[in-house]
Amino acid sequence: KAGVTQTPRYLIKTRGQQVTLSCSPISGHRSVSWYQQTPGQGLQFLFEYFSETQRNKGNFPGRFSGRQFSNSRSEMNVSTLELGDSALYLCASRPGVSGNTIYFGEGSWLTVV
Amino acid sequence: GENVEQHPSTLSVQEGDSAVIKCTYSDSASNYFPWYKQELGKRPQLIIDIRSNVGEKKDQRIAVTLNKTAKHFSLHITETQPEDSAVYFCAGLQGGSEKLVFGKGTKLTVNP
Repeated sequence: KAGVTQTPRYLIKTRGQQVTLSCSPISGHRSVSWYQQTPGQGLQFLFEYFSETQRNKGNFPGRFSGRQFSNSRSEMNVSTLELGDSALYLCASRPGVSGNTIYFGEGSWLTVV
Repeated sequence: GENVEQHPSTLSVQEGDSAVIKCTYSDSASNYFPWYKQELGKRPQLIIDIRSNVGEKKDQRIAVTLNKTAKHFSLHITETQPEDSAVYFCAGLQGGSEKLVFGKGTKLTVNP
């Protein structure tokens, strides 16, 4: 069974631009969550989607948004990029939303210059 | 909401020694506590987990203990090896929202 797949793996953007990251969950998994990882802050929860609906949201500004499609694939978007948005963005999936282990993708490394 | 505190932030041990990482959580309704290992440049991977109806779980050299009364859980690695060097994250599943909240991580270094 294929794992969680994230694209692109690496990207460089300029301040003020916007970026879209994509995530394909493990087959059969309907929940997708997104995390931002930076050296000083660990794994910070962005949001979680289940059946195309946002179930949970972390404490990030409105520039960070996401969505989930009917095939459970998910995208997250960051608008008006700032230097501080440089981070590893990790997607994770699980079968449902109740007590299930989450499985991470390899992540998308975003550098904002 | 759930808050997970993890200590220490860095830990250095000699090969063959034991390593212990501790986490505390705030939400008494939390019922699931996984541990993830993240090697440099790689994804976090689940190494062991425990549910609130169990006090201890062991898998070869790795064990996790849970004290629900004190709201803390710990990861124990025995006979450490250089390949155990990584960042370890604990997490708690927040009751109600089912959101997984992570600690800030512990960088473990095992010196040969």
